[in-house]
Amino acid sequence: DAGITQSPRHKVTETGTPVTLRCHQTENHRYMYWYRQDPGHGLRLIHYSYGVKDTDKGEVSDGYSVSRSKTEDFLLTLESATSSQTSVYFCATESGTSTETQYFGPGTRLLVL
Amino acid sequence: EDQVTQSPEALRLQEGESSSLNCSYTVSGLRGLFWYRQDPGKGPEFLFTLYSAGEEKEKERLKATLTKKESFLHITAPKPEDSATYLCAVQALTGFQKLVFGTGTRLLVSP
Repeated sequence: DAGITQSPRHKVTETGTPVTLRCHQTENHRYMYWYRQDPGHGLRLIHYSYGVKDTDKGEVSDGYSVSRSKTEDFLLTLESATSSQTSVYFCATESGTSTETQYFGPGTRLLVL
Repeated sequence: EDQVTQSPEALRLQEGESSSLNCSYTVSGLRGLFWYRQDPGKGPEFLFTLYSAGEEKEKERLKATLTKKESFLHITAPKPEDSATYLCAVQALTGFQKLVFGTGTRLLVSP
């Protein structure tokens, strides 16, 4: 448990609306990740960050953007939500020292109508 | 392309009935193989990391093993509280340290 919180925990929104999900960590971990989890697909990486203001795309980044202005916060924005973005979103962090273990937050369940 | 396949998709056991979950992987050089446990409505919880073939790790009733092509999660004398989805993931040596996940095995242990 790396002291990770995600907000909101549940959200219902309408197609075309922008949505921002927040991940907050208290462990001063260097790396942060956003995944989505869908039935039959497992966890897939959306974006990741390797430091403040340093971010890069994962395998399913279309329609998503991220920002990291502080070590502890990593924001995921759905620029214009679509029904295909209905999913459970997980944030993960990794210390960046000797261990490569990623620790996950509790998740945000997003429904796009 | 790095890939992880887990089997079976679902497994139902009686309390005390030992079994194994399989994780087959292909990766361009293995940095590490990770096992997580996920309870319904919660985030994955880290269990083990394995780095090289022949390595084994244990935690309570769980033991993870690794070969060059697959990993097994052995569950000895399971209890109902072991019911969860178990996820396997690999991390490649090259490129950024992203995890590639399998779709998981849903384990149900009945009393």
